[in-house]
Amino acid sequence: DIQMTQSPSSLSASVGDRVTITCRASQSISSYLNWYQQKPGKAPNLLIYAASSLQSGVPSRFSGSGSGTDFTLTISSLQPEDFATYYCQQSYTTPALTFGGGTKVEIK
Amino acid sequence: EVKLVESGGGLVQPGGSLRLSCAASGFTFRSYWLSWVRQAPGKGLEWVANIKQDGSEKYYVDSVKGRFTISRDNAKKSLYLQMNSLRAEDTAVYYCARDGGYGVFDYWGQGTLVTVSS
Repeated sequence: DIQMTQSPSSLSASVGDRVTITCRASQSISSYLNWYQQKPGKAPNLLIYAASSLQSGVPSRFSGSGSGTDFTLTISSLQPEDFATYYCQQSYTTPALTFGGGTKVEIK
Repeated sequence: EVKLVESGGGLVQPGGSLRLSCAASGFTFRSYWLSWVRQAPGKGLEWVANIKQDGSEKYYVDSVKGRFTISRDNAKKSLYLQMNSLRAEDTAVYYCARDGGYGVFDYWGQGTLVTVSS
């Protein structure tokens, strides 16, 4: 099974900061990596698919990069509505799918 | 507008059974793979099971194999999860999610809470 490891597990940042979250796969997953945002009490929301493609309606301050085993989600200028938990998910082994453990972005 | 609405959650004793439903609207239901994803209280997301468009293929995470069964009714635009032999560790919010292609979950329901406790 492919394991997905996110780092850090949590971070504190201020509005306007540039934030970077990493996700590492236990083996190569090409570009089959997706990112989701989840706010408390809400369902996850797709941000990025195929490592770097921005989902329709998602602000351009969100971007994704990487391939193989190492991936990054970047928020170029953190906004108040971006405080949430972010999850990566590999779909290389679809239909079997796995998520990373999550990164909680908190207000500094 | 795509909508997924789960129902059927509740409190059940260990060893008991529960059937979750997910009613879909706003898209061609029979054209998509569908999944159940769960989230234990204060924990991360875990994919549970998925099912092909015509129901001919079904896959499960190891921890639920032999206990949970995913199914769908394309005429009713509904997805189901039959959960048997429930354990405390199955306690979670269960989401249904549409696979927009290549295992990408592009739409999610609001979730339904399952609590397994005596």
